Amino acid sequence: QVQLVESGGGVVQPGRSLRLSCAASGFTFSSSGMHWVRQAPGKGLEWVAVISYDGSNKYYVDSVKGRFTISRDNSKNTLYLQMNSLRVEDTALYYCAKDRRGGIHGPIDPWGQGTLVTVSS
Amino acid sequence: QSVLTQPPSVSAAPGQKVTISCSGSNSNIGNNYVSWYQQLPGTAPKLLIYDSNKRPSGIPDRFSGSKSGTSATLDITGLQTGDEADYYCATWDNSLSAWVFGGGTKVTVL
Repeated sequence: QVQLVESGGGVVQPGRSLRLSCAASGFTFSSSGMHWVRQAPGKGLEWVAVISYDGSNKYYVDSVKGRFTISRDNSKNTLYLQMNSLRVEDTALYYCAKDRRGGIHGPIDPWGQGTLVTVSS
Repeated sequence: QSVLTQPPSVSAAPGQKVTISCSGSNSNIGNNYVSWYQQLPGTAPKLLIYDSNKRPSGIPDRFSGSKSGTSATLDITGLQTGDEADYYCATWDNSLSAWVFGGGTKVTVL
């Protein structure tokens, strides 16, 4: 079955960087678009970014453009989110998720369990 | 402020029906499929409805979705205590070139 395991979260000061990883298994990773979605404590879901199966297409929510970069290594079945210039408002549980049909237009399913990023001085 | 608008909460007694609305625009719901997600307390979201009205295998037919114009609806019939959760609608937005989520609706079983 599909497994998505996020890692790399932690506590970081504002302005610093962090890289999240998502190890995928149970499906052909190199054929699937992948998403990052976040959820601030006690808040709703916010989509962050998506990358196509081959990495050629990437889209971001406006609030992270220029600061976050989504990437993938299909040889390692791993998705990444490089987060630079972190802000307090980036504090959230970050979910990795698969694009169910393999593209980037969803639906988004399934989801990992998330990794927590806390930005605080 | 979310691009897609959902009521913050709905409630009903066990066995009753609740309806959750999701309002958008031509750039999102009006021209794309809608998906719905259920998030039980302390867990990751789970796909409930996709392509506006299709259920993944394993999702009971008590859950149904529909779309009309720039709005979508999730119906839950035969409400159970285990249905207490947050529910989110989502779709692609052609103008933003981004996925957008509704603000979420908390379902309470009275």
